[in-house]
Amino acid sequence: AQKITQTQPGMFVQEKEAVTLDCTYDTSDPSYGLFWYKQPSSGEMIFLIYQGSYDQQNATEGRYSLNFQKARKSANLVISASQLGDSAMYFCAMREVTNTGNQFYFGTGTSLTVIP
Amino acid sequence: DTEVTQTPKHLVMGMTNKKSLKCEQHMGHRAMYWYKQKAKKPPELMFVYSYEKLSINESVPSRFSPECPNSSLLNLHLHALQPEDSALYLCASSQGLTASSYNEQFFGPGTRLTVL
Repeated sequence: AQKITQTQPGMFVQEKEAVTLDCTYDTSDPSYGLFWYKQPSSGEMIFLIYQGSYDQQNATEGRYSLNFQKARKSANLVISASQLGDSAMYFCAMREVTNTGNQFYFGTGTSLTVIP
Repeated sequence: DTEVTQTPKHLVMGMTNKKSLKCEQHMGHRAMYWYKQKAKKPPELMFVYSYEKLSINESVPSRFSPECPNSSLLNLHLHALQPEDSALYLCASSQGLTASSYNEQFFGPGTRLTVL
């Protein structure tokens, strides 16, 4: 089974509008972390936001917020007031505890295009 | 210093060449990672070093040989590569591999490798 599922290969959003990128995950580990990364065409993976499994409140970082629904095992990224510079690939990732320590899993990514 | 650096940025090599990719971090992180990423795909984990010892080897062919000379440096030695090894190679580091609550991975900008 896929550990991280991103069902939107590509998304378009109008500049200044909000957009939600979907992410669902699968784990039986009670202690896990969820991450979102942005990867522009230059290639660098840029950390955006983190949600711990025990965090009571949804994480927010500036224009980024994470809609964490633990029972549904979803961790959607919401970008408010989209900017042209937000056009990039977005990866959802999960850190899970394994016998050898932490293991990271990445989703297949969502390509976001912001339209002027 | 919250940066992971990678050199070179671009590398073109023939199938008989021997080359090395370098990664450096000065954040005091004790876990370092090599990922391979094909275009429009998520990063694929290759190797994980924890406290300068190889912790995870994801069944990578022996033509890729990792080396961790000290806690700040991680090398990937390349020999007799194939054209299908052309990809973006990303290095990352995190505080450690233990089950702490955060352990975000910081990524370098990557090396774009082309094998002719």
